[in-house]
Amino acid sequence: SYVLSQAPSMSVAPGQTASIPCGGNDIGSKSVHWFQQRPGQAPVLVVFDDGDRPSGIPERISGFNSGNTATLTISRVEAGDEADYYCQVWDRSSDQWVFGGGTRLTVL
Amino acid sequence: QVQLVESGGGVVQPGRSLRLSCAASGFNFSNYGMHWVRQAPGKGLEWVSLIWWDGSNENYADSLRGRLTVSRDNSKNTLYLQMNSLRAEDTAVYYCARGRYTSGGILEDWGQGTLVIVSS
Repeated sequence: SYVLSQAPSMSVAPGQTASIPCGGNDIGSKSVHWFQQRPGQAPVLVVFDDGDRPSGIPERISGFNSGNTATLTISRVEAGDEADYYCQVWDRSSDQWVFGGGTRLTVL
Repeated sequence: QVQLVESGGGVVQPGRSLRLSCAASGFNFSNYGMHWVRQAPGKGLEWVSLIWWDGSNENYADSLRGRLTVSRDNSKNTLYLQMNSLRAEDTAVYYCARGRYTSGGILEDWGQGTLVIVSS
C-alpha cells in the first residue's frame, strides 16, 4: 500500500516560515491535501489539490507538489499555527485514502 | 453552514459491537459521499471508510475490511458505521467527514468526533 512519510515534529519562531514536507513515491503524480489539527479539535482542510486553499484559509498558507515530495508552507508563522499537520492522498491503485503520520509544528 | 455531529461512542467490551451515527445538516446530504476517519489516542489520522451519495458503493481501509459496515439513510440525513468484533486497538475518536463529490473525494468538512473505548 502507498506510504506517506512526515517528520514527527518541527519548530519555528514567530514571523518565520515553516516548510512541512510530505514524502511519497512519485507523489507529484497525485493530488495532495493538507489538514491542520489544533489541540483538542477536529482536523480542518487547509490545502487541497496540491496548492489550492478553501475559502477562509489565509494566503500565507500554501502548498506545492513535485517529484517525491509535497510541501506545505506557512509564511509569517503565528502562535495560532501551532498544530499537527497531515498530508493525504488518494491512491488510485489500491483505492485507499492515505494519511501521512503528521508533523507537529511548535511555534517557539 | 455544514454541521456534522457524531454519536454512539462509549465504552464497549472486546468482541462486542457498536454502531456510530453522524447527523448531517446545513447541506444537501444526499448529494455527497461521506467518509469515516479515526484517531487513536495520541496518534495520527487513519482513514476508515467511504460511502457514495446513494449508498451504491462502499470502500474500507484494507486493515479493517470485514469488521465494518458503512451505511446511510438519506431520508434522515444520517451516516452510520457498524463495528463488529471490536478490539482494544479500535479505541479511537471516530470522525465523519463530507466528501467533495457524490463519490467521495476531498474531506472538506469534519465533525467533532465520538470517542470509542474498547476495554474490559
